[in-house]
Amino acid sequence: AQTVTQSQPEMSVQEAETVTLSCTYDTSENNYYLFWYKQPPSRQMILVIRQEAYKQQNATENRFSVNFQKAAKSFSLKISDSQLGDTAMYFCAFNNAGNMLTFGGGTRLMVKP
Amino acid sequence: NAGVTQTPKFRVLKTGQSMTLLCAQDMNHEYMYWYRQDPGMGLRLIHYSVGEGTTAKGEVPDGYNVSRLKKQNFLLGLESAAPSQTSVYFCASSYPGHYDQPQHFGDGTRLSIL
Repeated sequence: AQTVTQSQPEMSVQEAETVTLSCTYDTSENNYYLFWYKQPPSRQMILVIRQEAYKQQNATENRFSVNFQKAAKSFSLKISDSQLGDTAMYFCAFNNAGNMLTFGGGTRLMVKP
Repeated sequence: NAGVTQTPKFRVLKTGQSMTLLCAQDMNHEYMYWYRQDPGMGLRLIHYSVGEGTTAKGEVPDGYNVSRLKKQNFLLGLESAAPSQTSVYFCASSYPGHYDQPQHFGDGTRLSIL
């Protein structure tokens, strides 16, 4: 079974600055996908970014990028130029070949003006 | 663009009552899922379905039943609600077997059991 751990329950960042959210996971599988989902106060689950385990290049989506370290089983999310709208819960998730998602416990991010 | 629609959005039940949550998707997805999210926690998988007429247990299936009679609908039932089932319930759907495909989520149902 997979486990996903987010060790930072809460974080804060000043608007326009950069913040990194941590995620580690444990699996015996060789190929899989990793996702970051954002959950704003509206409760929607919004996909932020995804990374395939076989790809060495780190994924990037506009202001969001990941640092994927497969050997260390680490998958951190970096948000650059933080905006007030980035305030949300962020969940790291592991997806195996059966398309079953395992979520971490989440990190609550507060962007301060 | 409806996507994944959950009905109802809020509900309050008394202990022992039964109810059914409805999930409908219009993206022709084969796979559908039900999750629960407890305060301060990530989502946990209750049951899932890989196609019409099929269902399977997830991580926390006890106290719930599901049915997938039509491809676009996935129902979650609570036969005898308990306070421990107070939670926010999310439905999701995805394409089959491609784990690179993200799951698409509904807006959630907040369920309180007194």
